[in-house]
Amino acid sequence: GAVVSQHPSRVICKSGTSVKIECRSLDFQATTMFWYRQFPKKSLMLMATSNEGSKATYEQGVEKDKFLINHASLTLSTLTVTSAHPEDSSFYICSARLQETQYFGPGTRLLVL
Amino acid sequence: AQSVTQPDIHITVSEGASLELRCNYSYGATPYLFWYVQSPGQGLQLLLKYFSGDTLVQGIKGFEAEFKRSQSSFNLRKPSVHWSDAAEYFCAVVGPVNFNKFYFGSGTKLNVKP
Repeated sequence: GAVVSQHPSRVICKSGTSVKIECRSLDFQATTMFWYRQFPKKSLMLMATSNEGSKATYEQGVEKDKFLINHASLTLSTLTVTSAHPEDSSFYICSARLQETQYFGPGTRLLVL
Repeated sequence: AQSVTQPDIHITVSEGASLELRCNYSYGATPYLFWYVQSPGQGLQLLLKYFSGDTLVQGIKGFEAEFKRSQSSFNLRKPSVHWSDAAEYFCAVVGPVNFNKFYFGSGTKLNVKP
């Protein structure tokens, strides 16, 4: 149980385009989901906390207009990287909270050319 | 301030040898504690968690961890390491009131020698 999926697993896009990443809790409902970014050989960096039906809470230094988060249902949160640039290339991981525990998706590798 | 420390950045063990990964935390109250494992290019998989009760908890893949309140530690152990255990391991804490604020350690990368 407690499975979280992410789609796509990897995406390559051109600079200036937008990319949407989906995060789904497959067998439970998640009021709260999280979006992380992970740089090579580094720990996770929390980008934002997403609450169903309300605006996301962004961490300091994360541009909310660039990283748009929508949590329209109890099983789906989306992260849209708008006007992507090469420096946005990274590994993005979502998680969904079930009671006290976070369950993580498999991650999305984004490469912006 | 709350923090999680994993003192070992890299650890190399021989296959079949025992393993202990260290985790120390600094927290205002006794938090809920977790160990996650991340294989290259993958998300994090929950190995085990401790909330209360027996301080020795069993997890998946033959891992166990022991909570020691006096040392603010939650070390991960495995009696015999397999080559497939090579991965990055993260310790994390949350709560006990706010379950939306996780604190992660910086990770320990485990290499397994044949």
